[in-house]
Amino acid sequence: GAGVSQSPSNKVTEKGKDVELRCDPISGHTALYWYRQSLGQGLEFLIYFQGNSAPDKSGLPSDRFSAERTGGSVSTLTIQRTQQEDSAVYLCASSPGTVGEQYFGPGTRLTVT
Amino acid sequence: ELKVEQNPLFLSMQEGKNYTIYCNYSTTSDRLYWYRQDPGKSLESLFVLLSNGAVKQEGRLMASLDTKARLSTLHITAAVHDLSATYFCAVDQGGSEKLVFGKGTKLTVNP
Repeated sequence: GAGVSQSPSNKVTEKGKDVELRCDPISGHTALYWYRQSLGQGLEFLIYFQGNSAPDKSGLPSDRFSAERTGGSVSTLTIQRTQQEDSAVYLCASSPGTVGEQYFGPGTRLTVT
Repeated sequence: ELKVEQNPLFLSMQEGKNYTIYCNYSTTSDRLYWYRQDPGKSLESLFVLLSNGAVKQEGRLMASLDTKARLSTLHITAAVHDLSATYFCAVDQGGSEKLVFGKGTKLTVNP
């Protein structure tokens, strides 16, 4: 079956602009996660959804970052007023429940110029 | 705060040799995951270890978990070039579903 999909695959934006990153989880997966991967920081957790609720937003680096999930499916990560330090690969993952492996999407490579 | 440490961070080995990657973590957890990442690609799940003493094997890779020592190992047997990739271990933080990742081990298998 289809895996986790993310769009766009690459995004180049100017500093100060807003961007939206999209994640389509595996059908039926109730849990959805956003992570960020950068050379300096490795893989960092950003936010986790169970259904449409976000019990854990502890990894969002600033209030410029927000995320939502609708219909228990698609999620959007929004970064406002992008900064160069936001440049990274943003990875989405989903899992069928609260225990077990997370299945990762291909990622969105964000470059802020 | 949960910390996950992998070593070595870089590993260059010859085909046919054996080696072990180590993953230590700082607080109690019964769930540990190993992932593989090829350059420019996403993370591929290799193993899920859910209890003390768990051992799983797939091909030339074998992973084990010792929750008392807070240690997992990924053993590579008779390495082949196709195993070249970066390997990450990750631990879920108790009470939360997020994964905390090690920095990764970049493995290069030379002919």
